[in-house]
Amino acid sequence: EDKVVQSPLSLVVHEGDTVTLNCSYEVTNFRSLLWYKQEKKAPTFLFMLTSSGIEKKSGRLSSILDKKELFSILNITATQTGDSAVYLCAVYSGAGSYQLTFGKGTKLSVIP
Amino acid sequence: SAVISQKPSRDICQRGTSLTIQCQVDSQVTMMFWYRQQPGQSLTLIATANQGSEATYESGFVIDKFPISRPNLTFSTLTVSNMSPEDSSIYLCSVEGGRAPNEQFFGPGTRLTVL
Repeated sequence: EDKVVQSPLSLVVHEGDTVTLNCSYEVTNFRSLLWYKQEKKAPTFLFMLTSSGIEKKSGRLSSILDKKELFSILNITATQTGDSAVYLCAVYSGAGSYQLTFGKGTKLSVIP
Repeated sequence: SAVISQKPSRDICQRGTSLTIQCQVDSQVTMMFWYRQQPGQSLTLIATANQGSEATYESGFVIDKFPISRPNLTFSTLTVSNMSPEDSSIYLCSVEGGRAPNEQFFGPGTRLTVL
């Protein structure tokens, strides 16, 4: 059974701090790993990673994938209160299928 | 990326009734997906809906409980039948369609509470 595990489950930081969120996975036929930000109901897409060692960056957010060790990290620098959300990691697996397996998420709270 | 809308955005329903959730996309898409997110849990895929064929259900989900329609390439519905409090969840539809394959975009979600 495919499995995606995120850590920590929750995190409280002060504005300006840097945070690292972790995602490890065990899946058959790995295709890609996706990060989402979920503030209310709908997850919004952040990054998709398919190749090891290549950092994806968008403003203060960045992410990298290690396919050998089967994990990814999401970094957020200079955190702001607007970064408070649940961050979801999901992995696409399976040949020819569209199975997207989600982790339980990391709830990030940024306090002023 | 596709723009997705869902109706209703939230509802409170009585046990034993059914609710149909609509998902509309602003462009034609081949595959549409329906997810459930129970309180405190992550997203779980219910089924994949292709236009012109039966939906494909994931383990633990059956057509009698979650019938799906996909009448055209921009629209789908999910019905939650004979509801119980355990069906209280956020229901989300999604489509693929970004700059790269496998980028999935989600609708705004429907928050369902069953009393």
